[in-house]
Amino acid sequence: AQTVTQSQPEMSVQEAETVTLSCTYDTSESDYYLFWYKQPPSRQMILVIRQEAYKQQNATENRFSVNFQKAAKSFSLKISDSQLGDAAMYFCAYWGGNTPLVFGKGTRLSVIA
Amino acid sequence: GAGVSQSPSNKVTEKGKDVELRCDPISGHTALYWYRQSLGQGLEFLIYFQGNSAPDKSGLPSDRFSAERTGGSVSTLTIQRTQQEDSAVYLCASSLRYRKETQYFGPGTRLLVL
Repeated sequence: AQTVTQSQPEMSVQEAETVTLSCTYDTSESDYYLFWYKQPPSRQMILVIRQEAYKQQNATENRFSVNFQKAAKSFSLKISDSQLGDAAMYFCAYWGGNTPLVFGKGTRLSVIA
Repeated sequence: GAGVSQSPSNKVTEKGKDVELRCDPISGHTALYWYRQSLGQGLEFLIYFQGNSAPDKSGLPSDRFSAERTGGSVSTLTIQRTQQEDSAVYLCASSLRYRKETQYFGPGTRLLVL
């Protein structure tokens, strides 16, 4: 079964600094998608970024970018110029084969003013 | 258009009572998903629908849980004879099709069983 591991239960970053959240996954599939979702205290899960496994180029969305290492099965999220509004739980998720989204247990990010 | 909506936002019930949780997906989305998020935990997949059909119900925790979807739109998750361990946030998501596509989530229903 596919698994997603987020090894950092909590992280903190100074405002305007850069932080990287780690995610590793286990799969035997070759075609799959990876996602980072943000969940603020409002509970709403918000898509941050997605990556198709067949694409070698790392996805980027404004201040958010990923480092996708397919061979290592690693999918880290980098947040640049951190803002107070970035404080939230961040979930890494995997979708491959016939399995709906499999989520990691999340990383709680605090942003220090 | 509007995003995924869920109702009620919060529900407090007594052990042994039945509850119904509702999800309105994004218009035109054929796939709909239910997840459960227990305190401090990640998301646990419960069930998904393609149109009105639920091909895989193995994620439902027990036979007290059931779900239906009508008209390819609204879905209801029903929990019968609620137990305290059912307390959690129940999240619904939808996607355009059941493929490796982005799922858009609703705000969730927080269920508390006393």
